[in-house]
Amino acid sequence: LAKTTQPISMDSYEGQEVNITCSHNNIATNDYITWYQQFPSQGPRFIIQGYKTKVTNEVASLFIPADRKSSTLSLPRVSLSDTAVYYCLVGSGNTGKLIFGQGTTLQVKP
Amino acid sequence: SAVISQKPSRDICQRGTSLTIQCQVDSQVTMMFWYRQQPGQSLTLIATANQGSEATYESGFVIDKFPISRPNLTFSTLTVSNMSPEDSSIYLCSVPGQGNSGANVLTFGAGSRLTVL
Repeated sequence: LAKTTQPISMDSYEGQEVNITCSHNNIATNDYITWYQQFPSQGPRFIIQGYKTKVTNEVASLFIPADRKSSTLSLPRVSLSDTAVYYCLVGSGNTGKLIFGQGTTLQVKP
Repeated sequence: SAVISQKPSRDICQRGTSLTIQCQVDSQVTMMFWYRQQPGQSLTLIATANQGSEATYESGFVIDKFPISRPNLTFSTLTVSNMSPEDSSIYLCSVPGQGNSGANVLTFGAGSRLTVL
């Protein structure tokens, strides 16, 4: 399974757009890119998933360049409640199991 | 997505004892996964619980320490045996579902926070 690299932490202010980039240089052809969010004392929660180009849902956007060696999670206009750890994972999804990296701790300040 | 219930949500245990964590899913699933999250750390996969066969353990985890049962397609248990303070962690159950791109994603339970004294 491809290893991912993310910034350990990021700070932002309410109302700003936050972009978290994840590197996955060894991504395989059949791997998908999936992002999770984890609040304290809760299990991780699925945010968004993509294979290439851009994916958008009601929570976030995911940008994936043509070479797929990185991806960027974009959170528009963050609020204090977006303070959490964000994990980027890559995998084929065929086995179901996923390997978590260290994640990015996002701190949103007022 | 599936709804997962884990019990207990938290417990304080004495060194040398064992504790069994239960995971109940509201739908039938072929695979269930058990993860561990040590304080301040990311998640580490312990094992895959397979219905009708033995669990598949990841490197560094053994059946004697973390026996797993999977009696049916909606239920699994993880036992943490002969606990030491190093076993103080959050233990999470998860099941695969469908992401927006069609590939598998995982749905997690709220976790069971164990503190070993």
